[in-house]
Amino acid sequence: GAGVSQTPSNKVTEKGKYVELRCDPISGHTALYWYRQSLGQGPEFLIYFQGTGAADDSGLPNDRFFAVRPEGSVSTLKIQRTERGDSAVYLCASSFGVRRSGGTGELFFGEGSRLTVL
Amino acid sequence: AQSVTQPDIHITVSEGASLELRCNYSYGATPYLFWYVQSPGQGLQLLLKYFSGDTLVQGIKGFEAEFKRSQSSFNLRKPSVHWSDAAEYFCAVGVYNTDKLIFGTGTRLQVFP
Repeated sequence: GAGVSQTPSNKVTEKGKYVELRCDPISGHTALYWYRQSLGQGPEFLIYFQGTGAADDSGLPNDRFFAVRPEGSVSTLKIQRTERGDSAVYLCASSFGVRRSGGTGELFFGEGSRLTVL
Repeated sequence: AQSVTQPDIHITVSEGASLELRCNYSYGATPYLFWYVQSPGQGLQLLLKYFSGDTLVQGIKGFEAEFKRSQSSFNLRKPSVHWSDAAEYFCAVGVYNTDKLIFGTGTRLQVFP
């Protein structure tokens, strides 16, 4: 598609359940980012991939959160044993490349996946 | 550590009025600065960015921003606001030697006819 696609757009789950959120970046974008946006807050960095590898996962809040990008395109954010505090909008973004390697640094965001943990 | 402050949580203006949204950053070197807009049901869209050079940058939708190093500010301006500009606006700074962005908490703009 033309933009970053995220599925599902809405997910309601119960505390303790496992959740997967999917991101399909813009074709040709090598860098992919996950952010989390809680109510009334700005997006908070979680992790970013350059190609298939996680270049920086310092924003993941704890070991219940994990993300993969096995073929360098689609990425999945996985949350185990969900807690009510995980409720937020999870945003995915992609870019042509990181600034250090000549990319512009402009991120293109998807519409987000809203996660509600009951 | 880098940080971004947007002092105004909510701003209301009349259509046709001028607009200035404030952004202050904390950063040890020349920052990469961005303004994004988020409309309901839509993803964040880049309005403009500053990397270096001319401190007054032009963006899309008639927006501009001015980088003032002495004030650590990167305020967003528009001379005449349209009703379609109602949205949430986020200022962000790029973290040195990475591609992470640190966002402010946002300013919600409401436009009255």
